[in-house]
This record gives sequence, structure tokens and C-alpha cells, in this order.
Amino acid sequence: KNQVEQSPQSLIILEGKNCTLQCNYTVSPFSNLRWYKQDTGRGPVSLTIMTFSENTKSNGRYTATLDADTKQSSLHITASQLSDSASYICVVNPRGSNYQLIWGAGTKLIIKP
Amino acid sequence: DGGITQSPKYLFRKEGQNVTLSCEQNLNHDAMYWYRQDPGQGLRLIYYSQIVNDFQKGDIAEGYSVSREKKESFPLTVTSAQKNPTAFYLCASSSGTGGTGEQYFGPGTRLTVT
Repeated sequence: KNQVEQSPQSLIILEGKNCTLQCNYTVSPFSNLRWYKQDTGRGPVSLTIMTFSENTKSNGRYTATLDADTKQSSLHITASQLSDSASYICVVNPRGSNYQLIWGAGTKLIIKP
Repeated sequence: DGGITQSPKYLFRKEGQNVTLSCEQNLNHDAMYWYRQDPGQGLRLIYYSQIVNDFQKGDIAEGYSVSREKKESFPLTVTSAQKNPTAFYLCASSSGTGGTGEQYFGPGTRLTVT
């Protein structure tokens, strides 16, 4: 069964610190892996999209990595800001599917001043 | 939230009533989607449409219906047949079909049925 699992479920860090969120998936083969940021009560916003052949993709202070051999991805946030408080969701698109996206449950990140 | 609007933001209904959620986009995207989000779970696809006057069931279509009469609009009706309708509903659109095109989401509608 295609699954996407994220860890930790929640994380609290101090403003200015770095953090890394993990994503393990069983989807194989896949076309791309995405990370979204979702503020509470809002729709998700895309941070990065990596094809299966890419190892890393950056978007400002956000850097996503992908290891297709171990079926793991991570999202690293540098110099966290209060506005980074949100849920971060890992999403995998199975290859050959033109609409199906497998969504993780997300990691809820809280940045404290 | 890009150019996607959903209304209303909050919706309350009594059990047994049908309710329609609005979704409009001005991004000129061909594909539109409806998702349901429940606490602690990933988004689940209800319906999607790749082109006007055509739509397909997603993973949890039972108890829901949609129409796509205009490119800009993709309303979702939650019928009384949906056993557990209370949830956060998200509409999205993309220029390509889901797997290739980046999806842009609206702000969501929180539906509470009592």
C-alpha cells in the first residue's frame, strides 16, 4: 500500500534555531515528491517539488533532500522565524498517475520566541 | 491562496441537509480538485476535473457530488448520504493534471454538521 509517514508529529523549537523534518514513503515508482506548508485554517502552499532524480531543492531558508534508495526525504529549515509556525506536509506522486497524490499527515512545527 | 476563492469560510448545517461549497479560480487552470482534511490525517481526494463538463471520482467520493459547467467554477455538494461530513474542505487547481502540475489551494471551508 502506498504510504507517506512523517516524523515527528509535532516539534517545538526556539526562534533562530534550525530544524529537520522527516518523511518516509513506500510509493514506488514515483514521479515527484513535494513539501507543502500549511498555516492553521488555511490551504497548503507549495515549498518544493523534486523529481525522482533530484537530490536537493532549496527555497529560501527551506531545503528539501531526497534519497530515493532509502525512500526518505527531509525538510531542513534554517534560522527559524515565528512565521514558520505551521504544519509541513510531505506529498508523493506515484509514477503513471495523472491525479493521485499520496499525502502525509504532516509535522506541526511551533516556533517560540 | 493564489487566485482561488472558497466560500463560505465556516458553514454550519443540520444533519440530513445537503450543502454546497463554492470554489472559484481565476488562474485559467484546466484541472480542479476537491479534498477533505481531517485532524491527524493526510488530505484525501474527493473529486477532480481535468476539463469543463468532465469530472472523476477520487478516493472518497461517496456522499458527494460535483459539477464543472464553467472552467472557473467547481462547486461541491455534500449530501445527506455522507455519513461523517464534518471536516475541512479544500479546493485546488492546476495547469496540468495532478501528477505533473503544481496544485494551488484555496483558503478552505470548515463544515460542521450537527
